[in-house]
Amino acid sequence: ILNVEQSPQSLHVQEGDSTNFTCSFPSSNFYALHWYRWETAKSPEALFVMTLNGDEKKKGRISATLNTKEGYSYLYIKGSQPEDSATYLCACNAGGTSYGKLTFGQGTILTVHP
Amino acid sequence: NAGVTQTPKFQVLKTGQSMTLQCAQDMNHEYMSWYRQDPGMGLRLIHYSVGAGITDQGEVPNGYNVSRSTTEDFPLRLLSAAPSQTSVYFCASSYAWNTYEQYFGPGTRLTVT
Repeated sequence: ILNVEQSPQSLHVQEGDSTNFTCSFPSSNFYALHWYRWETAKSPEALFVMTLNGDEKKKGRISATLNTKEGYSYLYIKGSQPEDSATYLCACNAGGTSYGKLTFGQGTILTVHP
Repeated sequence: NAGVTQTPKFQVLKTGQSMTLQCAQDMNHEYMSWYRQDPGMGLRLIHYSVGAGITDQGEVPNGYNVSRSTTEDFPLRLLSAAPSQTSVYFCASSYAWNTYEQYFGPGTRLTVT
């Protein structure tokens, strides 16, 4: 079982603050790193899928970076808004004994206060 | 497209009963998977399928069976329900298993008494 870890577990910020979270994963046999946004009472929705070392992806005020050599990814939110409040999940695809599986971290719960 | 659909939305079972959670997708995705979500545990993979006729175990497969006779459908069977299987179950699909985003169904909330 892959060990995918996210930090912090939860985060409270004020509207307008910028924030970032971390996802760490094993760097061996790496295929892809996913980020998902999960709002309460809804299903997870994909933000990014990244595969190459140094990848950077952006969607509106949200961006992500990937370092496959050291096994981490950062998710950044610029100018947080209350509607950004959600759980942010990262997940990793790897080869070897993890072939075919997508392993999720436990998530970072973000609360943005007006 | 309806995307990924799951039925039922809610279910209450007694210990020892069996049931099937249904999952279907209309996006012609090869890869389908089942997760359970428990407080503080994130999403844990139960079973997955890389194509029709091919299934394999995930992280927490005990007590569950799956089959994939068509590309569209991936039912999850609980053989003899136990209180430890009380959870929210999500089905997901994607074009392929690794570098493509997963699309999740709305979830099934199961309570076993």
